[in-house]
Amino acid sequence: KAGVTQTPRYLIKTRGQQVTLSCSPISGHRSVSWYQQTPGQGLQFLFEYFSETQRNKGNFPGRFSGRQFSNSRSEMNVSTLELGDSALYLCASRNPGHSSYNSPLHFGNGTRLTVT
Amino acid sequence: EDQVTQSPEALRLQEGESSSLNCSYTVSGLRGLFWYRQDPGKGPEFLFTLYSAGEEKEKERLKATLTKKESFLHITAPKPEDSATYLCAVRILYSGGGADGLTFGKGTHLIIQP
Repeated sequence: KAGVTQTPRYLIKTRGQQVTLSCSPISGHRSVSWYQQTPGQGLQFLFEYFSETQRNKGNFPGRFSGRQFSNSRSEMNVSTLELGDSALYLCASRNPGHSSYNSPLHFGNGTRLTVT
Repeated sequence: EDQVTQSPEALRLQEGESSSLNCSYTVSGLRGLFWYRQDPGKGPEFLFTLYSAGEEKEKERLKATLTKKESFLHITAPKPEDSATYLCAVRILYSGGGADGLTFGKGTHLIIQP
């Protein structure tokens, strides 16, 4: 079974620009989450989507947004980029079942975003 | 505020030298504690889920345990390929019934020297 796929792997953008990152979850997984990883803050939750609806959102400004399509693929958008947005952005999928909140996340290898 | 703290931040061991990594948490409404392994340039790889105090899970040289306030990841006779950053995370059940995203610790960077 193919894992979580994220594209692109690396991205360099300039302050003020916007960026869109893409994620394809594991086949059959309907929930997709996004996390930001930086050396100082570690992994921080951005948001989670299930069946095209945002279920939960972390403590990030409105410049960070996402969406999920009917095939469960997801995109994350960051507008008006700031230097501090430089990070590894990780997408994860899971298959909510009976114990939906206990199902583990399976991560992709991330998109490394550098803002100059 | 809900918190997850991992210790030590870094650990260097000789091959075969067993040790334990700690993950302490101050949360209410715990809905699962998760252990992940992360290699450089890759996303975290799922290892274990623990749900209740007293629970234990094992996989090869790794064994995870859970109490009401902390979890341990025991590494027995480690090999160089066990070198990685080990992350723990908790999922919390909020009063409204929804569970928020995982809250991660900063991780323990483990190096196993041959």
